[in-house]
Amino acid sequence: DTGVSQDPRHKITKRGQNVTFRCDPISEHNRLYWYRQTLGQGPEFLTYFQNEAQLEKSRLLSDRFSAERPKGSFSTLEIQRTEQGDSAMYLCASSYRQVTDTQYFGPGTRLTVL
Amino acid sequence: GQQVMQIPQYQHVQEGEDFTTYCNSSTTLSNIQWYKQRPGGHPVFLIQLVKSGEVKKQKRLTFQFGEAKKNSSLHITATQTTDVGTYFCAGYLGGNQFYFGTGTSLTVIP
Repeated sequence: DTGVSQDPRHKITKRGQNVTFRCDPISEHNRLYWYRQTLGQGPEFLTYFQNEAQLEKSRLLSDRFSAERPKGSFSTLEIQRTEQGDSAMYLCASSYRQVTDTQYFGPGTRLTVL
Repeated sequence: GQQVMQIPQYQHVQEGEDFTTYCNSSTTLSNIQWYKQRPGGHPVFLIQLVKSGEVKKQKRLTFQFGEAKKNSSLHITATQTTDVGTYFCAGYLGGNQFYFGTGTSLTVIP
């Protein structure tokens, strides 16, 4: 399968713990996006990479959140000192080159913070 | 604040009835994309509209972009149970991101 993959698919953690999610985009895609989606809402933009460069971050992304895309391939999203309000589906998407190119979403990582 | 609004939030239809969801922006959009998310799934791209007044069709689905490029609609003719899911519009205002609407959840009653 050459689609976008995410790992893990589910994560349950206790408040205050750190968690890290991984996204593997489609191999030839330069753009990679992270979104957060809560029940009944559309995906909310968190951050965006063009190759290895993180070019934009949402105001939603507090200093507890950090994302990397070393070598412009896979990406990781880390949440430090998790809070119950962080519980959500975290979606990764990739697209070829232009911002208006089709975004291909991964299956998401569902985070539950107890 | 919310850039792109979508109505209705929920819609229940009998199989065979038509369905329409509307997307509105207070700001002129450059492009608009539509996605479908099946229950438990992830968003899947359906189409992109770019031109003012553009209309595109995909089988039973008809997509329109308003003349002022501030609104868009998705119309499904003769719904089927396979149409179940949440339909999202995503508007592009320039920059590096699309703004997703809140979605319309469609339930089709057999």
